[in-house]
Amino acid sequence: DQQVKQNSPSLSVQEGRISILNCDYTNSMFDYFLWYKKYPAEGPTFLISISSIKDKNEDGRFTVFLNKSAKHLSLHIVPSQPGDSAVYFCAASKGNQFYFGTGTSLTVIP
Amino acid sequence: DTAVSQTPKYLVTQMGNDKSIKCEQNLGHDTMYWYKQDSKKFLKIMFSYNNKELIINETVPNRFSPKSPDKAHLNLHINSLELGDSAVYFCASSQGRAGFHEQYFGPGTRLTVT
Repeated sequence: DQQVKQNSPSLSVQEGRISILNCDYTNSMFDYFLWYKKYPAEGPTFLISISSIKDKNEDGRFTVFLNKSAKHLSLHIVPSQPGDSAVYFCAASKGNQFYFGTGTSLTVIP
Repeated sequence: DTAVSQTPKYLVTQMGNDKSIKCEQNLGHDTMYWYKQDSKKFLKIMFSYNNKELIINETVPNRFSPKSPDKAHLNLHINSLELGDSAVYFCASSQGRAGFHEQYFGPGTRLTVT
């Protein structure tokens, strides 16, 4: 049972433009959300997180938005750079429960 | 200086064999995890240990057994390997609960069962 879903398996964006990656979840009890980035043949690396009591968190070019009523979060990357090309996983947690989404492969075209 | 290391990086073995994957973290974290990434790239938590105690044990076959000799190590032992065990296995660590604290992942171990 997939509690965290990323419905777009891939996304292509021109360098300099905005990349928007989306994530939906089913459990309204999740209280913390995270985004991880993964390059081929490497483990995921933490990117940014947001608590359920907030609706936005920003860190440099990366901003995460949380819409609790829609059970939806998104990651905005502005401006997108070729080095951002990777697979992005969203994740959600509550207590000791922790779930990753299926990932979205982002390609930033120079 | 690698924060989370796994050995081996690649493991090819035959069905029915028993194998182990080792994981070590030098970050001083108190929680360690094992994840499985299957052929569909779905990353799923298998086990979590906090201060050498099991705190998550998702529904995985009992052929999989985690062993934590100390806070810095969490090894994964797999008995009677099956074709469906072929996957990439990631070890990770965090200071405190996964949700509130970022996890640091190892490079992964690609297990191929023939």
